[in-house]
Amino acid sequence: GENVEQHPSTLSVQEGDSAVIKCTYSDSASNYFPWYKQELGKRPQLIIDIRSNVGEKKDQRIAVTLNKTAKHFSLHITETQPEDSAVYFCAAQLSGAGSYQLTFGKGTKLSVIP
Amino acid sequence: DSGVTQTPKHLITATGQRVTLRCSPRSGDLSVYWYQQSLDQGLQFLIQYYNGEERAKGNILERFSAQQFPDLHSELNLSSLELGDSALYFCASSPRTFTDTQYFGPGTRLTVL
Repeated sequence: GENVEQHPSTLSVQEGDSAVIKCTYSDSASNYFPWYKQELGKRPQLIIDIRSNVGEKKDQRIAVTLNKTAKHFSLHITETQPEDSAVYFCAAQLSGAGSYQLTFGKGTKLSVIP
Repeated sequence: DSGVTQTPKHLITATGQRVTLRCSPRSGDLSVYWYQQSLDQGLQFLIQYYNGEERAKGNILERFSAQQFPDLHSELNLSSLELGDSALYFCASSPRTFTDTQYFGPGTRLTVL
């Protein structure tokens, strides 16, 4: 099955700085890579996603890059704000042979220091 | 608000008991996914249903089962509960079976004493 590694597990940045979270996946057949933000005790919320036919996607201060050859993808948050503090999860999705579930990384706790 | 609803919000029960968690997907979504989130295991996929049929199974214990009803709501049944089953259980829904965005419900926090 798919395996997703996520680094770092914790990340502290000063307000206004950039944050980068990296994930690697094991199955080259994975073709959809969402990122979720989860605040304490709340549901994971999709913040951005990318499909395997695209190398980069941007939405305001958030961007995701995908390197299919190396099987890794990254989340970039620029001009961080205190409200960006949360746990971020990457995920990879395989489709085919009836298996369409998301495999999640173990999460990165981001703290933005005012 | 994602449009996915889950009940109850909290559930406290004893070891050996059986509970049922309920999920209603977003209007029009045919796929329902169940995930377990515990502190040391992160988000673990349990099972997926599409339009009433089981489509994929993850790390779901034999003590756990699920179903999706004709109105598309889903129930996750957990039996012979153990302390280690204490976790947040999330339901997510998507329009189809594959490569579609999954929207998560607010979760049910299960505490087994």
